[in-house]
Amino acid sequence: QVQLQQWGAGLLKPSETLSLTCAVNGGSFSGHYWTWIRQPPGKGLEWIGEIFYNGIDHSGSTNYNPSLKSRVTISMDTSNNQFSLRLSSVTAADTAVYYCARRGLITGISRWGQGTLVTVS
Amino acid sequence: DIQMTQSPSTLSASVGDRVTITCRASQSISGWLAWYQQKPGKAPNLLIYKASSLESGVPSRFSGSGSGTEFTLTINSLQPDDFATYYCQHYYSYPWTFGQGTKVEIK
Repeated sequence: QVQLQQWGAGLLKPSETLSLTCAVNGGSFSGHYWTWIRQPPGKGLEWIGEIFYNGIDHSGSTNYNPSLKSRVTISMDTSNNQFSLRLSSVTAADTAVYYCARRGLITGISRWGQGTLVTVS
Repeated sequence: DIQMTQSPSTLSASVGDRVTITCRASQSISGWLAWYQQKPGKAPNLLIYKASSLESGVPSRFSGSGSGTEFTLTINSLQPDDFATYYCQHYYSYPWTFGQGTKVEIK
């Protein structure tokens, strides 16, 4: 059973860079889309972006939400089965619970991390 | 971006009721739609994918239907554990977007 464990700083000042990492335990890292989603307090879900690792080479293909694309980088460390999110120049509007997750090609987002509340103040 | 609109935003129901939530897409998404359940303080949980496929381990009282631009999530015989917020999400083309959520409350 795949489990996702995420960590990172929970309190940032405006203009700093948000950095979160998610470890994938108990399953294959290749052949899946590794995704970041966020949820502002009391609000709905917003897809941030995802990275796909085909398992053939050590590169991954990324897709980002255009609304965040200029500030977002998603990367992966295949040797440790981890993937990371960096969001630069944060403001109070970036305050949210951030989730890492796994998406299948046909299925929806079937595995989620526990979530990390990031507050920008 | 494809906009996803859920209705209603809030729904009051009793245990044993049959509940239907609607999700409309601003353009056709074929059947590339998922439904999630979220409880306070928890990550969402996948219920339905590809519009009508039940995720493993999800009770059979949950069902999904639809294609194109209109989709429904039905909960037959609502149970106490089902009071939560439900979201639809398309994965037809980037960027993926979610509906605004439907909160199912106890009547």
